[in-house]
Amino acid sequence: NAGVTQTPKFRVLKTGQSMTLLCAQDMNHEYMYWYRQDPGMGLRLIHYSVGEGTTAKGEVPDGYNVSRLKKQNFLLGLESAAPSQTSVYFCASSSPSTGSGSRTDTQYFGPGTRLTVL
Amino acid sequence: QKEVEQDPGPLSVPEGAIVSLNCTYSNSAFQYFMWYRQYSRKGPELLMYTYSSGNKEDGRFTAQVDKSSKYISLFIRDSQPSDSATYLCAMSDRGSTLGRLYFGRGTQLTVWP
Repeated sequence: NAGVTQTPKFRVLKTGQSMTLLCAQDMNHEYMYWYRQDPGMGLRLIHYSVGEGTTAKGEVPDGYNVSRLKKQNFLLGLESAAPSQTSVYFCASSSPSTGSGSRTDTQYFGPGTRLTVL
Repeated sequence: QKEVEQDPGPLSVPEGAIVSLNCTYSNSAFQYFMWYRQYSRKGPELLMYTYSSGNKEDGRFTAQVDKSSKYISLFIRDSQPSDSATYLCAMSDRGSTLGRLYFGRGTQLTVWP
């Protein structure tokens, strides 16, 4: 099992350019998440999905869009990149909880994408 | 006020020291508490998982939860240079949160030989 993979690992964009970050998981997880991590800010949730075809906003959704057309993939799009979107982006996945004491809500993270917007 | 507060450090200790990392939280509905470890330029990985109050031990690591004080701790005994990483606390209430975790900002730990 590869777990959670992210493409690309690094990217440099100019202001106004668009791009899509791809997340793939092979653990058959229902839930998938996109976070950004900035120095001193910790992990902040951008968008998440609780199943194929569904998405929801997290803490910091502005400037991003997402799609979950297949259960194993979760795409994060930047339509018009801004320097404030320079960050490290992490994707994660998990399964729905099944009872008390279960570890099924553990989130498994990908290796991250380092994005710089000039 | 963030729902989860964590001192970002940095924390620097000599090899062999006992390390104490802490988080406080405000949401009394949180029942599930986790510690993630993140090495430099890597994704976070689950280190410890605790349900409700009490202690849990795994090798050199002990996680403690005090729900009455809304306070969780991670202790590392006989710390090693390989423990140098950022440690993030995370918690959830399940139920309506649909698997969402609430993270602290992370504490950067350096263990020097």
